[in-house]
Amino acid sequence: EAQVTQNPRYLITVTGKKLTVTCSQNMNHEYMSWYRQDPGLGLRQIYYSMNVEVTDKGDVPEGYKVSRKEKRNFPLILESPSPNQTSLYFCASSLMGAGETQYFGPGTRLLVL
Amino acid sequence: KQEVTQIPAALSVPEGENLVLNCSFTDSAIYNLQWFRQDPGKGLTSLLLIQSSQREQTSGRLNASLDKSSGRSTLYIAASQPGDSATYLCAVKDKLIFGTGTLLAVQP
Repeated sequence: EAQVTQNPRYLITVTGKKLTVTCSQNMNHEYMSWYRQDPGLGLRQIYYSMNVEVTDKGDVPEGYKVSRKEKRNFPLILESPSPNQTSLYFCASSLMGAGETQYFGPGTRLLVL
Repeated sequence: KQEVTQIPAALSVPEGENLVLNCSFTDSAIYNLQWFRQDPGKGLTSLLLIQSSQREQTSGRLNASLDKSSGRSTLYIAASQPGDSATYLCAVKDKLIFGTGTLLAVQP
């Protein structure tokens, strides 16, 4: 089944403790991206990647890192999480770019205490 | 800076009604517009994608229109069903800017 998977689905952590949220797609998509969704603010893009080893900042990249060492994986790294990073995170992928049909993962709900 | 607005924020209709959801954007220089559905606790599912050169797209009971010059798109849902209850989001490219969504409840 074609899908985007994220792990973990739910995470509670404390300020400053490094964490990684994994994202994997099995559709051989070139383009992958991360979003956060907050009440009243909608979805905002954090980072995106056009291809392996090619990443770029979205609208709200501060406090986040990403890597794209393999085509299928696009992990989101929070080196030192803070409470304002409490949010619902989505990974998405598409065949070539943001202008095509996006396939979203199920989301990761993060709480930073 | 592109801004995307969806009105209304919430809508409740009885089953069987036809309804229209609205999406407006401030910069008409868009590449395309997508409509998504989001169910509680789940990710987004793409419903329709309209290229900037198109005026509408249809999929089953859904019809999306695009008027670039006026900065508007509508999602028409025919003969609504309780299973249509979800949050509907529109997003415009060039950078996939999302609206805040319309929460739809279809009452049986």
